[in-house]
Amino acid sequence: AQKITQTQPGMFVQEKEAVTLDCTYDTSDPSYGLFWYKQPSSGEMIFLIYQGSYDQQNATEGRYSLNFQKARKSANLVISASQLGDSAMYFCAMREGGGGADGLTFGKGTHLIIQP
Amino acid sequence: DTGVSQDPRHKITKRGQNVTFRCDPISEHNRLYWYRQTLGQGPEFLTYFQNEAQLEKSRLLSDRFSAERPKGSFSTLEIQRTEQGDSAMYLCASSSGQARNQPQHFGDGTRLSIL
Repeated sequence: AQKITQTQPGMFVQEKEAVTLDCTYDTSDPSYGLFWYKQPSSGEMIFLIYQGSYDQQNATEGRYSLNFQKARKSANLVISASQLGDSAMYFCAMREGGGGADGLTFGKGTHLIIQP
Repeated sequence: DTGVSQDPRHKITKRGQNVTFRCDPISEHNRLYWYRQTLGQGPEFLTYFQNEAQLEKSRLLSDRFSAERPKGSFSTLEIQRTEQGDSAMYLCASSSGQARNQPQHFGDGTRLSIL
């Protein structure tokens, strides 16, 4: 089974609109972290936001916020007031706790295109 | 802060040749990671180091792959007897500390093409 599922291969959004990118995850570990990364066409992976499994509040970072629904195992990224520069691939990733595991498990990504 | 640096940016080689990539992490970061990303996919974890110790290896890391971090600073990833399926972007990342909320910071990657 996929550990990270991103169901939207691509999205088109009008500039200045808010956009929600979906991410669901699968783990039996009570301690885990969820990360979102942005990968522009130039290729570098840019860290956006983090949510810990024990965090009581949804994470926010500037125009980025995380809609974390633990019971549903979802961690959707919300980008407010989208800009042309937001056009990129977006990846959701998970880091599971325990056992010394430290590598991130990534989803397949969502290709977001912001239209003027 | 110069970020994570990878060299070379691109490598083209013939099938069967050996290749070696280098990664210089952010200077104060003690953890270093290698990932592989194929077209249209998210990165896949290969291995990671804490200082000079290699602590985890993915099953993706076949015996043709070897990674080192001899002095706990830069790391190398070597692929022996390259195959067509090794064509991918190889990403290096680094992070500090052991807190689970520490993000991994990625380099620009090395794109490997096998002819």
